[in-house]
Amino acid sequence: GAVVSQHPSWVICKSGTSVKIECRSLDFQATTMFWYRQFPKQSLMLMATSNEGSKATYEQGVEKDKFLINHASLTLSTLTVTSAHPEDSSFYICSARGLTEHDNEQFFGPGTRLTVL
Amino acid sequence: AQRVTQPEKLLSVFKGAPVELKCNYSYSGSPELFWYVQYSRQRLQLLLRHISRESIKGFTADLNKGETSFHLKKPFAQEEDSAMYYCALSGKGAQKLVFGQGTRLTINP
Repeated sequence: GAVVSQHPSWVICKSGTSVKIECRSLDFQATTMFWYRQFPKQSLMLMATSNEGSKATYEQGVEKDKFLINHASLTLSTLTVTSAHPEDSSFYICSARGLTEHDNEQFFGPGTRLTVL
Repeated sequence: AQRVTQPEKLLSVFKGAPVELKCNYSYSGSPELFWYVQYSRQRLQLLLRHISRESIKGFTADLNKGETSFHLKKPFAQEEDSAMYYCALSGKGAQKLVFGQGTRLTINP
């Protein structure tokens, strides 16, 4: 149990376009979802925390207008990278925590590799 | 400020040898500490947390508040332990995790 999926697993887009990444909790209700960014050979950097039904809380230095997060249901959160540029190329990982037997644990998705040309 | 430091980016040991992955933290309060592991081509997964005080896959970690450390140890390394290991911290009751830089552990046959 406690599986988190992400779609797509990889995406290539042109500079200036927007890309949407989905994060789903498959077998539990995720009251909170987190979005991370990971550069090659570096650690995970938290971008934002989103609670179902409310606005996301962004970490310092993360542009909320650039990285739009929606958490409209207990099983789905989306991250939209607007007007993507090559420097947005990265590995984006979501995690979810919620109503499971391990209520303090975050379960991670497999990640989405974004390449902006 | 919350900070997690893993001083070793790379660690290589021989099979059967003891392993210790270092983790130091900075937090003004009572933190919760975790170790996450990422095997090749797999997602990040929780290995253990300090409040559980359990041994997972032979690994243990003790929270030392005096030294602000949470080192991960295993007495006899196995080849399948080769992976990326991340130490992480959460404030008590807080939701978010702060990750260390990670240590890539390689177990040589």
